[in-house]
Amino acid sequence: DAGVIQSPRHEVTEMGQEVTLRCKPISGHNSLFWYRQTMMRGLELLIYFNNNVPIDDSGMPEDRFSAKMPNASFSTLKIQPSEPRDSAVYFCASTRAGADYGYTFGSGTRLTVV
Amino acid sequence: QKEVEQNSGPLSVPEGAIASLNCTYSDRGSQSFFWYRQYSGKSPELIMFIYSNGDKEDGRFTAQLNKASQYVSLLIRDSQPSDSATYLCAVRETGGFKTIFGAGTRLFVKA
Repeated sequence: DAGVIQSPRHEVTEMGQEVTLRCKPISGHNSLFWYRQTMMRGLELLIYFNNNVPIDDSGMPEDRFSAKMPNASFSTLKIQPSEPRDSAVYFCASTRAGADYGYTFGSGTRLTVV
Repeated sequence: QKEVEQNSGPLSVPEGAIASLNCTYSDRGSQSFFWYRQYSGKSPELIMFIYSNGDKEDGRFTAQLNKASQYVSLLIRDSQPSDSATYLCAVRETGGFKTIFGAGTRLFVKA
């Protein structure tokens, strides 16, 4: 099992540019979560999907953020336009729903907006 | 706003000692509780989960849960320098899949 796969590992972009982060969950996991981690705010849940359907996006900071899950094996998190305060590590995690399983996290994408 | 509180530390213990990490949560109906370990620059990894009051042991790790006090703890016996990391307490929301993470406690084990 390759685990949760995220790409890219690092992204440096200029303010105002569009950024797309990608995630492939573990096969058989039907819940997927996007988290953001900063020193100041810790791990914050942005959005999560169950069976490819967005369930709770209340953590998405503002309209500049959007997320999709077109199928069970792929999800994207898009920021448009990006701002310096979006700089953080973005983690994708997956789990099996309906059971007390913890999450498996991807390696994360370190985003720097200059 | 549901919250998970942890002492940020750092907690420093000598090699071979017991490290005790604590966590409180606000959602009284929560049923599932997790401990994750995060090494610097890495992603969180699950080390323990517990959902019944009492103790659960796995090797050198023991998770303790007291739902009446809304308190979860993690004990690490015979601490090793390789245990030096940030430990995140996580609580699954009542009736849902959403998990709220504490800010984490940094642990240093001195050789």
